[in-house]
Amino acid sequence: GPKVLQIPSHQIIDMGQMVTLNCDPVSNHLYFYWYKQILGQQMEFLVNFYNGKVMEKSKLFKDQFSVERPDGSYFTLKIQPTALEDSAVYFCASSLAHRGLANTGQLYFGEGSKLTVL
Amino acid sequence: GDSVTQTEGLVTLTEGLPVMLNCTYQTIYSNPFLFWYVQHLNESPRLLLKSFTDNKRTEHQGFHATLHKSSSSFHLQKSSAQLSDSALYYCALSDNYNQGKLIFGQGTKLSIKP
Repeated sequence: GPKVLQIPSHQIIDMGQMVTLNCDPVSNHLYFYWYKQILGQQMEFLVNFYNGKVMEKSKLFKDQFSVERPDGSYFTLKIQPTALEDSAVYFCASSLAHRGLANTGQLYFGEGSKLTVL
Repeated sequence: GDSVTQTEGLVTLTEGLPVMLNCTYQTIYSNPFLFWYVQHLNESPRLLLKSFTDNKRTEHQGFHATLHKSSSSFHLQKSSAQLSDSALYYCALSDNYNQGKLIFGQGTKLSIKP
């Protein structure tokens, strides 16, 4: 089936540094998402993105977070500067549409990028 | 606020026995969508089932679930567990407008033993 690729699978950085997580969404998809999962907790919505703009963001999407997808390349999540509480697995997802009774609104997830902030 | 509750963190069953994973939710949405996602080891979460119709059974790959708005439940069932069903199962909720903004439960790890 359709695949969402995430790079890197694991990154360890020092607190205060910048990190960029990369996502290669399904090729014809238009809507992109980031979710955060802290160890032992549920996945939580961070942000979704369409047509070059943030559609909606949660309270977890701090000012230090930003997303972009320049020129149809990777969809990225940048954290600058990082904090200890940013340690988590970040899942990228994409969908063809943001709604639909058929499968157009279905999310396809990547395998996650595990971020460890020391 | 909106929430999804999966009461079992771990369910261990013997192959061939029936599976039931519980999911209840709270929401202000009048027409919620409910989903079950499955995540096998070292793989990405993928959609297993979804429903928005009250009291209608939804089936896929041997699993089934029925959305009951009266009890705010969407339990996942299977008549006979297989070893390959061992995985993490997440119940999730969204509204009709933005189906990609999912509210997840904490997940249930299903472990099937021979």
